[in-house]
Amino acid sequence: QVQLQQWGAGLLKPSETLSLTCGVYGISFTATYWTWIRQPPGKGLEWIGEIHHSGNTNYNPSLKSRVTISVDTSKNQFSLKLSSVTAADTAVYFCVRARFDYWGQGTLVTVSS
Amino acid sequence: DIVMTQSPDSLAVSLGERATINCTSSQSIFYRSNNRDCLTWYQQKAGQPPKLLIYWASARESGVPDRFSGSGSGTDFTLTISSLQPEDVAVYYCQQYSSIPYTFGQGTKLEVK
Repeated sequence: QVQLQQWGAGLLKPSETLSLTCGVYGISFTATYWTWIRQPPGKGLEWIGEIHHSGNTNYNPSLKSRVTISVDTSKNQFSLKLSSVTAADTAVYFCVRARFDYWGQGTLVTVSS
Repeated sequence: DIVMTQSPDSLAVSLGERATINCTSSQSIFYRSNNRDCLTWYQQKAGQPPKLLIYWASARESGVPDRFSGSGSGTDFTLTISSLQPEDVAVYYCQQYSSIPYTFGQGTKLEVK
């Protein structure tokens, strides 16, 4: 059974760094990109960026200065770091296979002082 | 960035009737390598991640009922539900994956009349 299981801190203060990890189970981790997408409460979807198992990355230019996506192929995991968060970064964050067919359960990250 | 615009923002359709959602891209999302358009359609129910329905504008994802169909090319695309069922109540999104950053439409809320 294919599972993308994600975890990380759900409550941050402004200026802190968001950190989430996604574990991939039941499906090949190689030869594809892995993606992060977010959705503010009650709003639409925003593509954050993607990483290939080889380590090649592509980022949304609107977030590029603050985003780092990394991969640990030995553990079939990939991670998201978003620095200097503000209330505008409050959202449900999803990890997704880049074919957009398999999604994690989503993690609500709230930024509040 | 390619801007994706959906219409209408909300739609109420009687059970058994046809529902049609439109999506327009601000520029062509055609992929010459395979002569297909880089467009997906998703269904999102409350509290769940989006579910992939259609990719390459008209290819139905495995397991998706055949009442869902995608059409269009170039910059104008349509998602059609041929006979609305109660379980189809959701928000529907289109997305282009032609150029980075991949972008989504604002969503269309589909309800039963």
